[in-house]
Amino acid sequence: DQQVKQNSPSLSVQEGRISILNCDYTNSMFDYFLWYKKYPAEGPTFLISISSIKDKNEDGRFTVFLNKSAKHLSLHIVPSQPGDSAVYFCAASALVQGAQKLVFGQGTRLTINP
Amino acid sequence: DAGVIQSPRHEVTEMGQEVTLRCKPISGHDYLFWYRQTMMRGLELLIYFNNNVPIDDSGMPEDRFSAKMPNASFSTLKIQPSEPRDSAVYFCASSGGYGYTFGSGTRLTVV
Repeated sequence: DQQVKQNSPSLSVQEGRISILNCDYTNSMFDYFLWYKKYPAEGPTFLISISSIKDKNEDGRFTVFLNKSAKHLSLHIVPSQPGDSAVYFCAASALVQGAQKLVFGQGTRLTINP
Repeated sequence: DAGVIQSPRHEVTEMGQEVTLRCKPISGHDYLFWYRQTMMRGLELLIYFNNNVPIDDSGMPEDRFSAKMPNASFSTLKIQPSEPRDSAVYFCASSGGYGYTFGSGTRLTVV
């Protein structure tokens, strides 16, 4: 039972263009959503997040959009750069027994082509 | 701050052997999480601790898996006996209540 789904295992984008990574979730109790970036042989690192009370959060080249009615969020990277090539994990958070418990998707491997 | 430290980075073992993965969380973080990364399921939460006490181990796949946190600066994940399907990257993460910091992971290969 995958509560957070990233249906695209991979995505290839030309340098300078926009990268759009998608994520769907099923549990309406999630109240916070995050994107993590992972390079090979490293652990995931936090990239950007959004609260369920917002529909957009922007940080430089990265913007996350949240559509609560559709239970869908997306990460936009513009313009895409070669250093953005990595695996991106979508995560949803619920407060459980005082802890922020994160549920992750399967990940999308983004490749930026020069 | 050295971050979350995991050891070993790589482990190759034969089926049936015992495997122990280690994690040192960030000092002051009172939550510790063990995740497993596979191609099919992405990052799966196995177990997490709060103040060294296991809170939720519902993600532990089988009784072959066990985890301990004897003190605030150390945790282990043990697989006994190991099987080829346990091959994956295992991550430890710690949190002070908001946001996770992950270690670099242990790549486990069971042959």
